[in-house]
Amino acid sequence: DTAVSQTPKYLVTQMGNDKSIKCEQNLGHDTMYWYKQDSKKFLKIMFSYNNKELIINETVPNRFSPKSPDKAHLNLHINSLELGDSAVYFCASSLAGGRTGELFFGEGSRLTVL
Amino acid sequence: DAKTTQPPSMDCAEGRAANLPCNHSTISGNEYVYWYRQIHSQGPQYIIHGLKNNETNEMASLIITEDRKSSTLILPHATLRDTAVYYCIVTGNTGKLIFGQGTTLQVKP
Repeated sequence: DTAVSQTPKYLVTQMGNDKSIKCEQNLGHDTMYWYKQDSKKFLKIMFSYNNKELIINETVPNRFSPKSPDKAHLNLHINSLELGDSAVYFCASSLAGGRTGELFFGEGSRLTVL
Repeated sequence: DAKTTQPPSMDCAEGRAANLPCNHSTISGNEYVYWYRQIHSQGPQYIIHGLKNNETNEMASLIITEDRKSSTLILPHATLRDTAVYYCIVTGNTGKLIFGQGTTLQVKP
């Protein structure tokens, strides 16, 4: 059983399109995250949700809209995709409302914008 | 969160101990030291963390200096599967991890 699973694993799309990446965790954690890893391999936090409530928003463009229907799911919707959005997006989860630094990451979703 | 400094790359012979250093001279009293690694094309993986005491688990040992300004991650018997980028992160347990460039560890046969 995969602890943190993301779909799709690969996504190729045109500029201007809207796309979503889904994430589910079966660890019973209460906090979920989205991280972005760009072409230079830097990993940066984008969002964090605790029990469906947004707790971290790292000045990400409002074209990115996370949605958490329940504490086991955190989806990322991206509007009007731009070339610079090409990256690997990692979902993660943790316990204790983010008060622990022990995060469990998914395998990533590689987004390519043409 | 405090900034960390790590060497960009290191080599280690298979079966030998890999010692990965990290400087975090601006760490504050309530900040923990965390280590993660990222094997090529996979998500980051938690290894170990500590506050001021040395820690050991099934994967590695973490040695933190008495002044807490630096630490060393030790993989006691490195294998080829330990080839990865290793990240040292200092955080106040907000759940917000700030990843630097890390150390690329190459384990060689």
